[in-house]
Amino acid sequence: NAGVTQTPKFQVLKTGQSMTLQCAQDMNHEYMSWYRQDPGMGLRLIHYSVGAGITDQGEVPNGYNVSRSTTEDFPLRLLSAAPSQTSVYFCASSRPGQGFGAFFGQGTRLTVV
Amino acid sequence: SQKIEQNSEALNIQEGKTATLTCNYTNYSPAYLQWYRQDPGRGPVFLLLIRENEKEKRKERLKVTFDTTLKQSLFHITASQPADSATYLCALPTPGGYQKVTFGTGTKLQVIP
Repeated sequence: NAGVTQTPKFQVLKTGQSMTLQCAQDMNHEYMSWYRQDPGMGLRLIHYSVGAGITDQGEVPNGYNVSRSTTEDFPLRLLSAAPSQTSVYFCASSRPGQGFGAFFGQGTRLTVV
Repeated sequence: SQKIEQNSEALNIQEGKTATLTCNYTNYSPAYLQWYRQDPGRGPVFLLLIRENEKEKRKERLKVTFDTTLKQSLFHITASQPADSATYLCALPTPGGYQKVTFGTGTKLQVIP
């Protein structure tokens, strides 16, 4: 089982560049989320989706866009990268309902210079 | 707003002892609480969930308690092993919906042989 797959694993961007972080899951999970993890800040929710065609903002959505056209895929777009977006990004998926644990991808380490 | 506190200081214990990690939360009464393990360079891995009507939950050498009066969860690892060394995160659903989960900053556990 592949679980949650994120690509790329590492990326260096220049300020102002745009890019898309890919996330795919093969568990038919309805819920998917994007988090960023920074030292001392823990995991912070960027955007989440409760199903295809439905997305909503999390705690730190500014500078990021998402869409969910299929159950499997949930890409995260950085429109104009800024150094403050240097972080490790994690995608997660879970079943709907109360309390199911989330499955996380291996992360994308992004550096914006 | 909801706040989750985990001891940011690393916890060092001798192999074979019981490790106890604390998760405190404020401003809300969650329906459940989750614990995750995160190894360096990897995404979090779901370990256990405990619901508000459960006082204690066990899984192999892991035990979680949930005191809704104290707004606290304790995570115990008995007979700890060096392989248990990792960062442990607690997570709670945000008020109003369990599709959004907030994570604590985690406590780093080091088990010394």
